[in-house]
This record gives sequence, C-alpha cells and structure tokens, in this order.
Amino acid sequence: AQSVTQLDSQVPVFEEAPVELRCNYSSSVSVYLFWYVQYPNQGLQLLLKYLSGSTLVKGINGFEAEFNKSQTSFHLRKPSVHISDTAEYFCAVSERGGGSNYKLTFGKGTLLTVNP
Amino acid sequence: DTAVSQTPKYLVTQMGNDKSIKCEQNLGHDTMYWYKQDSKKFLKIMFSYNNKELIINETVPNRFSPKSPDKAHLNLHINSLELGDSAVYFCASSLQGYRTDTQYFGPGTRLTVL
Repeated sequence: AQSVTQLDSQVPVFEEAPVELRCNYSSSVSVYLFWYVQYPNQGLQLLLKYLSGSTLVKGINGFEAEFNKSQTSFHLRKPSVHISDTAEYFCAVSERGGGSNYKLTFGKGTLLTVNP
Repeated sequence: DTAVSQTPKYLVTQMGNDKSIKCEQNLGHDTMYWYKQDSKKFLKIMFSYNNKELIINETVPNRFSPKSPDKAHLNLHINSLELGDSAVYFCASSLQGYRTDTQYFGPGTRLTVL
C-alpha cells in the first residue's frame, strides 16, 4: 500500500509571508499525487495534482508544488499567504482500490493558520 | 448549482438508532465514494461505486450499507449506531474512478452519536 506523510501537523505564519507545507510519499513506482484544501466546515477542494511531465505544478489560489523523485517529496508552496488561506491542507496519493478503480489515500493533514 | 450535495448536513442521534445519509452528484460522473473523517481530521475511504456497482469496500463494519440506486446517487445507511461512528462523512465523485481523476467532494455530514 502506498502512503503519504505530512511532516507538520500545524504551520502558523504571518500574512504575506511565504509558506511551505511538506509531504513525502512512500512508493517507489510511478505515483500520482494531489493536494486538497479543506476550509473550515467545508468539503475538500482540489488545489493541484501531479500526474507526469513537468515537476513543478501550478494550482489554484497561487499555490504550486514540486515533485521530487529523488527525495520522494511533493511539497506545497505559496510565496505570499493571505488570511483566507487559513485551512487544513491534505496531501494524497492515488492507489488501486479494486478492479480498475482507484482511491485516494490521504496524509494526516496540515493546519495552516495565517495570522495578521 | 452544487456539484456534489449531501443531506443532512448535521445528524444528531442516540446510540442504537439507524440513520441514512444521502448524496447526489450532477457532474455526470460514473464513480462515487464515501469517506469518513474522524475527530483528528484523518480521512479514510469506506466505499466506492462505479455505475451502481460496488467496487471498493474497505474494512468497514457491516452495520454500514451503501446503496446506489443510479449512478448519480449514493446513499449510506448505518444500523445500530455506536459512539465511535461519530465523524464527518464525505461523499465524492470522479469521472471514471481512474488513477488520474480528480475527486469532487460534497460539503460533508457531521454525525454525532450520543
């Protein structure tokens, strides 16, 4: 089974500061990786995903992530955060669940808190 | 138009009761999922259906029974509710359940068992 590890459970930052949320994956075979965001009391929304090709992936709301095969990492970054970026962020890997269907296996999440 | 909707949003009930959660998607997707998010925010898949057929059934107690009357709907019925069933349950859908598909999540149903 594949897994992802989010190294930080909480990341507090000040508004307009840069932020990096860390994610490491376990698989040695090809992986498909996702970052989702969950705003308070809401469902999850896709920020970005890495399928293949360019290792730098750009997503919504100014976020980007870099796939690094040698370090088995897929860290999420934003150069300047806003108060509205306060949310829980989940890294996930797509793995076979049954038949030809795939499921998402999530990390434990990182709570990003942006302070004024 | 809400892409993936769930009802109810909140559900408070006593131990031992039976309850259902409904999910509908208007994206024309073939695959739907149920995930459980515990009090520590950990998300884990429970079930997946592809075009009304059960495909993924994780190690979930058989008190939980999903039903898909058509590919746009996936309901979750829970019998004999226990305290440990308290969680937020998310429905999701994806185009065909492929590895590269984006999953679209509903707003969640917060279940509290007293």
